[in-house]
Amino acid sequence: GAVVSQHPSWVICKSGTSVKIECRSLDFQATTMFWYRQFPKQSLMLMATSNEGSKATYEQGVEKDKFLINHASLTLSTLTVTSAHPEDSSFYICSAETHGTETQYFGPGTRLLVL
Amino acid sequence: DQQVKQNSPSLSVQEGRISILNCDYTNSMFDYFLWYKKYPAEGPTFLISISSIKDKNEDGRFTVFLNKSAKHLSLHIVPSQPGDSAVYFCAASETSYDKVIFGPGTSLSVIP
Repeated sequence: GAVVSQHPSWVICKSGTSVKIECRSLDFQATTMFWYRQFPKQSLMLMATSNEGSKATYEQGVEKDKFLINHASLTLSTLTVTSAHPEDSSFYICSAETHGTETQYFGPGTRLLVL
Repeated sequence: DQQVKQNSPSLSVQEGRISILNCDYTNSMFDYFLWYKKYPAEGPTFLISISSIKDKNEDGRFTVFLNKSAKHLSLHIVPSQPGDSAVYFCAASETSYDKVIFGPGTSLSVIP
């Protein structure tokens, strides 16, 4: 149980295009989902926290107009990288937790490569 | 199914004593293991790592032990301090990839 999936796992796009990444909790309801950017074998950078049905809370330095987050249901959150540039190339990881717990279940990550 | 498991959601330890956080994994291709520490409202920060060619790695108060045959690793913190209270994530990766698979975390409380 407690599986989080991400789709796609790999995406290559041209500079200037937009990319949508989905994060789903497969067998539990996620009241809160987190989006991270992962640097190779280093710490994860928290980008934003989203609660179902409300606007995401973005961390300082993260452009909310560039990284659009939608948490439309208790099992789905999406991250859209708008007008992607090569410097946006990275691993993007989501995690999900249920209200009242500190247990976070991480997705497998999405590798984005912007050419 | 979860490839990295942390079966204890929480742990309480007295200040000055040893904290032992456990982690099990199922994927035999994993050969690089990491521990992350996370405070509320922040992203996990890297703590210590170990590659499969070693069975122990030590950094100050933190020691990670790896038992490949049992697919088990543990993080020892000694002596534990109140500032160590956080959620600890175990993670693993295959050499060829940067992608890291995380466990669900163990919440450690160090009681003064």
